[in-house]
Amino acid sequence: ELKVEQNPLFLSMQEGKNYTIYCNYSTTSDRLYWYRQDPGKSLESLFVLLSNGAVKQEGRLMASLDTKARLSTLHITAAVHDLSATYFCAVGPPSGTYKYIFGTGTRLKVLA
Amino acid sequence: NAGVTQTPKFQVLKTGQSMTLQCAQDMNHEYMSWYRQDPGMGLRLIHYSVGAGITDQGEVPNGYNVSRSTTEDFPLRLLSAAPSQTSVYFCASSSGTGRDYSNQPQHFGDGTRLSIL
Repeated sequence: ELKVEQNPLFLSMQEGKNYTIYCNYSTTSDRLYWYRQDPGKSLESLFVLLSNGAVKQEGRLMASLDTKARLSTLHITAAVHDLSATYFCAVGPPSGTYKYIFGTGTRLKVLA
Repeated sequence: NAGVTQTPKFQVLKTGQSMTLQCAQDMNHEYMSWYRQDPGMGLRLIHYSVGAGITDQGEVPNGYNVSRSTTEDFPLRLLSAAPSQTSVYFCASSSGTGRDYSNQPQHFGDGTRLSIL
């Protein structure tokens, strides 16, 4: 059974600080997605990582994928209040399936 | 460009009632899916479809039916609502065919907030 674990589940950080969210998964997959969700809203795509060693950056967010370690990271640089949201990673689909599996999410709060 | 449209946005049902959550996309996407979102559990896949006439079960399919008669529409039916089905339901779609669809992110609708009493 494919499992996706994110940590931390909750993160409160000061503006200007750096931090990393981790996404570990339990089966072979070379596709990893990061989404953002604001309270009461839909999910917005941030990054699509499609191969081992893939790195993508947008503004203060940078995502990377290590398929051998089955690990993706979302690094936040110099956090600002507008980054406060819940961040989800999703894995999938393993070969032969069409099923994406989501992590439980990391709720980020950036304090002014 | 409307993207993925879900209706209704909110619904309250009584136990045992049935209803259909509607999902439509105008992007000609082959892959469509339904998720439920519960606190502390992320999103869990209910059913998905890789094209008109083709559907399959996800992680938590019990109590739900789907059909895909057109590329645009992918309705989710609750057969006999139970309190455990109280949740926020999201429909999503992505472009491409075969394995190519997973090279793209999923586009999500705004969700349907469903309460079952």
